Amino acid sequence: GENVEQHPSTLSVQEGDSAVIKCTYSDSASNYFPWYKQELGKRPQLIIDIRSNVGEKKDQRIAVTLNKTAKHFSLHITETQPEDSAVYFCAASKGRAAGNKLTFGGGTRVLVKP
Amino acid sequence: EAQVTQNPRYLITVTGKKLTVTCSQNMNHEYMSWYRQDPGLGLRQIYYSMNVEVTDKGDVPEGYKVSRKEKRNFPLILESPSPNQTSLYFCASSRASGAQNTEAFFGQGTRLTVV
Repeated sequence: GENVEQHPSTLSVQEGDSAVIKCTYSDSASNYFPWYKQELGKRPQLIIDIRSNVGEKKDQRIAVTLNKTAKHFSLHITETQPEDSAVYFCAASKGRAAGNKLTFGGGTRVLVKP
Repeated sequence: EAQVTQNPRYLITVTGKKLTVTCSQNMNHEYMSWYRQDPGLGLRQIYYSMNVEVTDKGDVPEGYKVSRKEKRNFPLILESPSPNQTSLYFCASSRASGAQNTEAFFGQGTRLTVV
């Protein structure tokens, strides 16, 4: 089955700096790659996603890049703010045939220091 | 308000005592899933359902059962809970849209402790 590796497991950055989280996946049939943010004690919430026919997607301070050949994708957060502190999860999916199943990475705890 | 609702939020139980965690969504989504979240392991899928009366195993189904008798409800059943099922559980739903994925919406989570 699909396996998703996520690095680093923890990331501490100074407010205003950039944060980068990297994920690799194993199944070349995966075609959907969402990123979820989970604040302490809360549910995971989608912050950005990318499909396999796109190499890069941006939404304000957040961007995701996808390299299908290398089977890796990354989340970039620019101009970090204290409210960006949370656990971030990457995931991969093969779509409807697998019931929209998401295979998650282990998570990255991001701490933004004021 | 569109949402996925789980109950209870917190549960402490004893080994072997059957329990059910309920999940309900009001978005008319076809797909529903259960995940468990453990430190360092992310979220792992337990079971999923693509529609009423259609369920299938995820990656970690042992010790769990589900049912999908109605589109909006997808309860998770632990027939004989054991301490290794102590975890944070999330229900999620998403709509079917051709062959592509759509956003998964998560419930607020159920923290289960089995002693």
